[in-house]
Amino acid sequence: DQQVKQNSPSLSVQEGRISILNCDYTNSMFDYFLWYKKYPAEGPTFLISISSIKDKNEDGRFTVFLNKSAKHLSLHIVPSQPGDSAVYFCAASDSTSYGKLTFGQGTILTVHP
Amino acid sequence: DGGITQSPKYLFRKEGQNVTLSCEQNLNHDAMYWYRQDPGQGLRLIYYSQIVNDFQKGDIAEGYSVSREKKESFPLTVTSAQKNPTAFYLCASNQGRTEAFFGQGTRLTVV
Repeated sequence: DQQVKQNSPSLSVQEGRISILNCDYTNSMFDYFLWYKKYPAEGPTFLISISSIKDKNEDGRFTVFLNKSAKHLSLHIVPSQPGDSAVYFCAASDSTSYGKLTFGQGTILTVHP
Repeated sequence: DGGITQSPKYLFRKEGQNVTLSCEQNLNHDAMYWYRQDPGQGLRLIYYSQIVNDFQKGDIAEGYSVSREKKESFPLTVTSAQKNPTAFYLCASNQGRTEAFFGQGTRLTVV
Protein backbone atom coordinates (compact mmCIF):
# COMPACT_ATOMS: atom_id res chain seq x y z
CA ASP A 1 0.00 0.00 0.00
CA GLN A 2 2.00 2.92 -1.35
CA GLN A 3 0.56 6.01 0.33
CA VAL A 4 2.99 8.41 -1.32
CA LYS A 5 3.72 7.91 -5.00
CA GLN A 6 6.17 9.47 -7.40
CA ASN A 7 5.10 8.05 -10.73
CA SER A 8 7.99 9.38 -12.79
CA PRO A 9 11.16 7.38 -12.10
CA SER A 10 13.28 9.90 -13.99
CA LEU A 11 13.27 13.39 -15.48
CA SER A 12 15.76 14.99 -17.85
CA VAL A 13 15.97 18.79 -18.19
CA GLN A 14 18.22 21.31 -19.91
CA GLU A 15 20.22 23.68 -17.73
CA GLY A 16 18.35 26.95 -17.17
CA ARG A 17 14.92 25.45 -17.79
CA ILE A 18 12.30 24.52 -15.21
CA SER A 19 12.23 21.12 -13.52
CA ILE A 20 8.85 19.93 -12.25
CA LEU A 21 8.75 16.90 -9.99
CA ASN A 22 5.40 15.45 -9.04
CA CYS A 23 4.07 13.52 -6.08
CA ASP A 24 0.64 12.06 -5.27
CA TYR A 25 -0.68 10.80 -1.96
CA THR A 26 -3.67 8.73 -0.94
CA ASN A 27 -3.88 9.28 2.82
CA SER A 28 -6.20 12.21 3.47
CA MET A 29 -4.77 12.52 7.00
CA PHE A 30 -1.41 13.74 5.67
CA ASP A 31 -1.03 17.42 6.48
CA TYR A 32 2.70 18.11 6.26
CA PHE A 33 4.78 17.49 3.17
CA LEU A 34 8.50 17.66 2.51
CA TRP A 35 10.95 17.32 -0.36
CA TYR A 36 14.40 15.81 0.05
CA LYS A 37 17.36 15.64 -2.31
CA LYS A 38 19.73 12.69 -2.30
CA TYR A 39 23.07 12.03 -3.94
CA PRO A 40 24.32 8.43 -4.37
CA ALA A 41 25.76 6.83 -1.24
CA GLU A 42 24.75 9.83 0.90
CA GLY A 43 21.87 10.59 3.23
CA PRO A 44 18.94 12.71 1.98
CA THR A 45 19.05 16.42 2.71
CA PHE A 46 15.96 18.49 3.40
CA LEU A 47 14.94 20.97 0.70
CA ILE A 48 11.57 22.50 1.44
CA SER A 49 8.31 21.73 3.20
CA ILE A 50 4.68 22.80 3.13
CA SER A 51 1.84 22.57 5.57
CA SER A 52 -1.66 21.75 4.39
CA ILE A 53 -2.88 25.19 5.42
CA LYS A 54 -0.86 26.62 2.53
CA ASP A 55 -0.90 25.91 -1.19
CA LYS A 56 2.53 27.30 -2.02
CA ASN A 57 5.90 27.71 -0.35
CA GLU A 58 8.95 29.25 -1.94
CA ASP A 59 12.64 29.16 -1.03
CA GLY A 60 15.01 30.61 -3.59
CA ARG A 61 14.92 28.50 -6.75
CA PHE A 62 12.62 25.93 -5.13
CA THR A 63 8.84 26.21 -4.93
CA VAL A 64 6.46 23.56 -3.66
CA PHE A 65 2.79 23.60 -4.67
CA LEU A 66 0.09 21.67 -2.86
CA ASN A 67 -3.32 20.78 -4.33
CA LYS A 68 -5.22 19.20 -1.45
CA SER A 69 -8.34 18.36 -3.43
CA ALA A 70 -6.25 16.41 -5.94
CA LYS A 71 -3.92 15.04 -3.23
CA HIS A 72 -1.02 16.22 -5.34
CA LEU A 73 2.11 18.20 -4.74
CA SER A 74 4.88 19.33 -7.02
CA LEU A 75 8.37 20.76 -6.69
CA HIS A 76 9.47 23.39 -9.19
CA ILE A 77 13.16 24.20 -9.63
CA VAL A 78 13.87 27.36 -11.60
CA PRO A 79 16.37 27.73 -13.15
CA SER A 80 17.70 24.17 -13.11
CA GLN A 81 21.44 23.70 -12.66
CA PRO A 82 23.67 20.65 -13.28
CA GLY A 83 24.32 20.45 -9.54
CA ASP A 84 20.60 19.78 -9.05
CA SER A 85 21.06 16.35 -10.62
CA ALA A 86 20.11 13.91 -7.85
CA VAL A 87 17.24 11.74 -6.62
CA TYR A 88 14.32 13.72 -5.22
CA PHE A 89 11.99 12.20 -2.64
CA CYS A 90 8.71 13.59 -1.45
CA ALA A 91 7.55 12.67 2.04
CA ALA A 92 4.43 13.19 4.14
CA SER A 93 3.29 12.95 7.72
CA ASP A 94 0.03 13.23 9.64
CA SER A 95 -0.74 14.65 13.06
CA THR A 96 -1.28 11.22 14.64
CA SER A 97 2.15 9.86 13.71
CA TYR A 98 4.30 12.43 15.55
CA GLY A 99 7.19 13.07 13.17
CA LYS A 100 7.16 9.78 11.26
CA LEU A 101 7.59 10.36 7.52
CA THR A 102 6.26 8.25 4.65
CA PHE A 103 8.37 8.52 1.50
CA GLY A 104 7.71 8.15 -2.20
CA GLN A 105 9.89 6.04 -4.48
CA GLY A 106 11.97 8.95 -5.69
CA THR A 107 12.55 10.64 -9.06
CA ILE A 108 16.01 10.82 -10.65
CA LEU A 109 16.56 14.33 -12.00
CA THR A 110 19.29 14.87 -14.59
CA VAL A 111 20.09 18.44 -15.60
CA HIS A 112 22.13 18.64 -18.80
CA PRO A 113 24.57 21.53 -19.37
CA ASP B 1 28.67 20.55 14.87
CA GLY B 2 25.30 18.91 15.40
CA GLY B 3 24.36 15.94 13.29
CA ILE B 4 23.83 12.23 12.91
CA THR B 5 26.69 9.80 12.62
CA GLN B 6 26.28 6.35 11.15
CA SER B 7 28.97 3.71 11.24
CA PRO B 8 30.40 1.86 9.53
CA LYS B 9 29.97 3.30 6.05
CA TYR B 10 30.38 -0.16 4.47
CA LEU B 11 29.59 -3.47 6.14
CA PHE B 12 29.85 -7.02 4.87
CA ARG B 13 27.86 -9.84 6.39
CA LYS B 14 28.22 -13.55 5.95
CA GLU B 15 25.16 -15.74 5.62
CA GLY B 16 23.66 -16.52 9.05
CA GLN B 17 25.49 -13.71 10.81
CA ASN B 18 23.95 -10.91 12.89
CA VAL B 19 25.39 -7.44 12.37
CA THR B 20 24.75 -4.16 14.18
CA LEU B 21 24.65 -0.74 12.54
CA SER B 22 25.40 2.24 14.72
CA CYS B 23 23.51 5.54 14.76
CA GLU B 24 24.37 8.44 17.11
CA GLN B 25 22.89 11.94 17.14
CA ASN B 26 23.83 15.06 19.09
CA LEU B 27 20.83 17.13 18.00
CA ASN B 28 18.93 16.41 21.22
CA HIS B 29 16.06 14.99 19.16
CA ASP B 30 13.50 12.77 20.84
CA ALA B 31 12.63 10.70 17.78
CA MET B 32 14.90 8.45 15.76
CA TYR B 33 14.22 6.29 12.71
CA TRP B 34 15.75 3.56 10.60
CA TYR B 35 15.00 3.39 6.87
CA ARG B 36 16.09 1.00 4.20
CA GLN B 37 16.68 2.09 0.59
CA ASP B 38 16.46 -0.34 -2.29
CA PRO B 39 16.60 0.68 -5.96
CA GLY B 40 13.22 1.91 -7.18
CA GLN B 41 11.55 1.48 -3.80
CA GLY B 42 12.32 4.69 -2.06
CA LEU B 43 12.84 4.76 1.68
CA ARG B 44 10.97 2.18 3.73
CA LEU B 45 10.63 2.48 7.49
CA ILE B 46 12.09 -0.36 9.55
CA TYR B 47 11.76 0.83 13.16
CA TYR B 48 11.27 4.11 14.95
CA SER B 49 11.55 5.41 18.49
CA GLN B 50 9.85 8.49 19.89
CA ILE B 51 11.34 8.33 23.38
CA VAL B 52 14.05 6.47 25.25
CA ASN B 53 13.28 2.82 26.09
CA ASP B 54 10.40 2.71 23.62
CA PHE B 55 10.25 1.82 19.92
CA GLN B 56 7.73 0.68 17.33
CA LYS B 57 7.87 -1.47 14.24
CA GLY B 58 7.73 0.22 10.89
CA ASP B 59 6.59 -1.24 7.60
CA ILE B 60 9.38 -3.80 7.16
CA ALA B 61 10.53 -4.77 10.69
CA GLU B 62 10.85 -8.52 10.15
CA GLY B 63 14.43 -9.72 10.58
CA TYR B 64 15.55 -6.55 12.38
CA SER B 65 15.83 -5.48 16.00
CA VAL B 66 16.62 -2.19 17.74
CA SER B 67 17.23 -0.72 21.16
CA ARG B 68 16.94 2.80 22.56
CA GLU B 69 18.76 2.89 25.89
CA LYS B 70 20.05 6.42 25.41
CA LYS B 71 18.52 9.43 23.72
CA GLU B 72 21.57 9.83 21.50
CA SER B 73 21.81 6.25 20.25
CA PHE B 74 19.56 3.97 18.18
CA PRO B 75 21.47 0.90 16.95
CA LEU B 76 19.93 -1.47 14.40
CA THR B 77 20.71 -5.19 14.37
CA VAL B 78 20.19 -7.07 11.12
CA THR B 79 19.58 -10.65 12.16
CA SER B 80 20.03 -13.89 10.26
CA ALA B 81 16.24 -13.97 9.88
CA GLN B 82 16.43 -11.09 7.39
CA LYS B 83 16.52 -12.95 4.10
CA ASN B 84 17.53 -10.10 1.84
CA PRO B 85 19.64 -7.70 3.90
CA THR B 86 21.74 -6.20 1.12
CA ALA B 87 20.65 -2.55 1.00
CA PHE B 88 21.53 1.01 1.95
CA TYR B 89 20.46 1.78 5.53
CA LEU B 90 19.67 5.29 6.69
CA CYS B 91 19.18 6.61 10.20
CA ALA B 92 17.28 9.83 10.86
CA SER B 93 16.07 11.94 13.74
CA ASN B 94 13.67 14.81 14.33
CA GLN B 95 11.89 16.72 17.03
CA GLY B 96 8.13 16.80 16.72
CA ARG B 97 6.66 17.58 13.35
CA THR B 98 9.75 18.99 11.75
CA GLU B 99 12.05 17.87 8.99
CA ALA B 100 14.09 14.78 9.72
CA PHE B 101 17.87 14.92 9.56
CA PHE B 102 19.64 11.94 8.05
CA GLY B 103 23.00 10.31 8.55
CA GLN B 104 25.30 9.42 5.67
CA GLY B 105 24.11 5.83 5.51
CA THR B 106 25.57 2.34 5.81
CA ARG B 107 25.88 0.08 2.78
CA LEU B 108 25.36 -3.53 3.91
CA THR B 109 26.34 -6.35 1.58
CA VAL B 110 25.91 -10.08 2.11
CA VAL B 111 28.96 -12.08 1.02
